[in-house]
Amino acid sequence: QVQLQQSGPGLVKPSQTLSLTCAISGDSVSSNNAAWNWIRQSPSRGLEWLGRTYYRSKWYNDYAVSVESRITIDPDTSKNQFSLHLKSVTPEDTAVYYCARDSSGWPQDYWGQGTLVTVSS
Amino acid sequence: AIRMTQSPSSFSASTGDRVTITCRASQGISSYLAWYQQKPGKAPKLLIYAASTLQSGVPSRFSGSGSGTDFSLTISCLQSEDFATYYCQQYYNYPWTFGQGTKVEIK
Repeated sequence: QVQLQQSGPGLVKPSQTLSLTCAISGDSVSSNNAAWNWIRQSPSRGLEWLGRTYYRSKWYNDYAVSVESRITIDPDTSKNQFSLHLKSVTPEDTAVYYCARDSSGWPQDYWGQGTLVTVSS
Repeated sequence: AIRMTQSPSSFSASTGDRVTITCRASQGISSYLAWYQQKPGKAPKLLIYAASTLQSGVPSRFSGSGSGTDFSLTISCLQSEDFATYYCQQYYNYPWTFGQGTKVEIK
């Protein structure tokens, strides 16, 4: 059974970097079949896919155009986890952030518990 | 990006009702369509993928149909635990995009 456990601060100041981590159990961040995603949800934007990291003999990343200049998703194979870093945040980045797995091109089947991140001074 | 439009945005129904939610894609997505259920304070839960394939453990009262641009999710006999918000998602190409959601409320 795959489980994803999120951690990170719930409050970030404007212009700073939002960082969240998703610890994986029951699968490997280096799996050749899985991809590891970050998705956020807010009343104004709904569910918004932000990006993903995945390993296919080497590491790849895909990012949403809306955040691609500010986002980094990186894996940590030693801890079997992956992280989201979103820099230069504004109040519009306030949302519930989820990590999620998709496998072999199928939609996201396992999700983290969600983290409400508020951007405010 | 492919735009996903659900209808209705919300409606009220009673336990035992048969309900249908529709989802339209702004371009053809073959059968690369998933449905999720979300309850307050929880992550979305995958119900259906490939437009009509039930995820393991999902009750058979849920069914999906459609291909191309028009899709539907049907709950044949609404149960109390089915009152939630439902989202469609296309995974035909990146960025994978979601509909705005349909909230099913108790009448």
